[in-house]
Amino acid sequence: QQQVKQSPQSLIVQKGGISIINCAYENTAFDYFPWYQQFPGKGPALLIAIRPDVSEKKEGRFTISFNKSAKQFSLHIMDSQPGDSATYFCAAVSGGSYIPTFGRGTSLIVHP
Amino acid sequence: SQTIHQWPATLVQPVGSPLSLECTVEGTSNPNLYWYRQAAGRGLQLLFYSVGIGQISSEVPQNLSASRPQDRQFILSSKKLLLSDSGFYLCAWRRGSLANEQYFGPGTRLTVT
Repeated sequence: QQQVKQSPQSLIVQKGGISIINCAYENTAFDYFPWYQQFPGKGPALLIAIRPDVSEKKEGRFTISFNKSAKQFSLHIMDSQPGDSATYFCAAVSGGSYIPTFGRGTSLIVHP
Repeated sequence: SQTIHQWPATLVQPVGSPLSLECTVEGTSNPNLYWYRQAAGRGLQLLFYSVGIGQISSEVPQNLSASRPQDRQFILSSKKLLLSDSGFYLCAWRRGSLANEQYFGPGTRLTVT
């Protein structure tokens, strides 16, 4: 199972700032890249996802940027709010595979 | 719409006792089902997955086992718990191997004392 490398492990941002979390992968068979948001004591929730045929996807304050040639993708949280404080996981999925590959997670704290 | 349930929500068990955690999915049929464990402040460790009734694949050798007695029911068990079994257990489902989205349940917090 190929690894997905996620960084940073933890991130502290001021309210209104931009939070950026990065992920890198090796397996070029991956064709779907979701991000999950997990609040303490809760299960991860699917936040936003992208396919490699587009370079960017935006949903509200959340944007995924995808660089196919570099095999990297990142999550940008614009105008970060204290309510965004959570752990974020990136993942990668290849068509036909039963097992998604998850990054190790990033703990985001947004200070008011 | 589809929903996923896990119970119990929290559980405190002594070392050496048995374990049974249950997960059920509503609103879909023949889902792929998964059990993950998450240690405090850590990532998601895949324990088992199932693509159909009675079909279980194990990812990590341990004293845990899984069963799928019904299409939308997934059970995680142990005959004798270890201290290291403490953690947050998450069940998840996907519509199938060609479906991309995976959805997680609310989780069970297990503390082995």
